[in-house]
Amino acid sequence: DAGITQSPRHKVTETGTPVTLRCHQTENHRYMYWYRQDPGHGLRLIHYSYGVKDTDKGEVSDGYSVSRSKTEDFLLTLESATSSQTSVYFCATRTSGGDYNEQFFGPGTRLTVL
Amino acid sequence: GDSVTQMEGPVTLSEEAFLTINCTYTATGYPSLFWYVQYPGEGLQLLLKATKADDKGSNKGFEATYRKETTSFHLEKGSVQVSDSAVYFCALSEGQGAQKLVFGQGTRLTINP
Repeated sequence: DAGITQSPRHKVTETGTPVTLRCHQTENHRYMYWYRQDPGHGLRLIHYSYGVKDTDKGEVSDGYSVSRSKTEDFLLTLESATSSQTSVYFCATRTSGGDYNEQFFGPGTRLTVL
Repeated sequence: GDSVTQMEGPVTLSEEAFLTINCTYTATGYPSLFWYVQYPGEGLQLLLKATKADDKGSNKGFEATYRKETTSFHLEKGSVQVSDSAVYFCALSEGQGAQKLVFGQGTRLTINP
């Protein structure tokens, strides 16, 4: 399995506060992704990265920003948390090369915004 | 845009029963199709995949066949076990590069002994 860790694993915060979630990988994978998981919606892509300092928006990017200053770290920031951002957040990575390679997922971060 | 639709859950079966979880998709091109599984408290793991029409993906007794004519990728298993209890996600990805995944809503499966 790809070595993917997420921190924190659980967080409770208040509306209006900034929150940063961290994804760390040890596999030197080029691509990294942030998804959110909500009942009835499956997983939806928030942002992704295709290299250091190279990022792009996904399906549900409003209210989120990302940064990738090193290959191994991909940060997701909620600029001003809202209750609608209560969710479980998953990071994923994928190596480059070849077609249709597997995405490896981290264990998730459960975020509650009060 | 691309989308994936799975059968509504939850699904509850007895051990050794036959399992089918339906999945259909809408895509503009020729996507690759995946089934991911999520065990309680964990992230997602790839269960199986198929990259072109008529391909059959298989793993751990699960199978799914890429049917272009019906735009479907139904998951099947002949005899389920309690350890198969999990949430199952159908997904697709298109093209080269980032190969972003589009997921269905997930189907929770519970197997009773």
